[in-house]
Amino acid sequence: AQRVTQPEKLLSVFKGAPVELKCNYSYSGSPELFWYVQYSRQRLQLLLRHISRESIKGFTADLNKGETSFHLKKPFAQEEDSAMYYCAHTSGANSKLTFGKGITLSVRP
Amino acid sequence: NAGVTQTPKFQVLKTGQSMTLQCAQDMNHEYMSWYRQDPGMGLRLIHYSVGAGITDQGEVPNGYNVSRSTTEDFPLRLLSAAPSQTSVYFCASSWGTEAFFGQGTRLTVV
Repeated sequence: AQRVTQPEKLLSVFKGAPVELKCNYSYSGSPELFWYVQYSRQRLQLLLRHISRESIKGFTADLNKGETSFHLKKPFAQEEDSAMYYCAHTSGANSKLTFGKGITLSVRP
Repeated sequence: NAGVTQTPKFQVLKTGQSMTLQCAQDMNHEYMSWYRQDPGMGLRLIHYSVGAGITDQGEVPNGYNVSRSTTEDFPLRLLSAAPSQTSVYFCASSWGTEAFFGQGTRLTVV
């Protein structure tokens, strides 16, 4: 069964500090991995996906198949980055999306 | 284009009561799903549907029913509410691998 692990529940950093949100997955096939974000009082939304290899709001995430990881990184955190972040995995289009337990990122001024 | 709309936003039920959480999408997506969000547990899949007339169970289906008579609507029914069903419920529809979420329904069972 596919599984997504986010080992930390909370990360608190000061503005301008680097951020790394960890995500590990277990899946025997070709994974499709995502980061979703939920800002306070807003709906969950897609932040980025590994296929596009893009940077969104300064965040990047690289798929490391050897380590089965998909960590989310940002070199300089901003206060508006404070939110709940979920790593998610699916085996393909119109397939079940499996979420990790999420991590709360708190960026202090 | 409203996306995914959930009603109600808040609900308080007494133990044993039944209710239906509504979910509608206007994006013509075939795949729809229901999740519950609990502190420390993340989002857990309750039920999902790959198209009208087709539904299947997710990770935590007990105590919930779904049906999918149209592409647009995917209601979630609580048959006999229990305090353990106190949670925030999210409906989502998917295009390819991207999921679009509703704003959530905060349900409290007393």
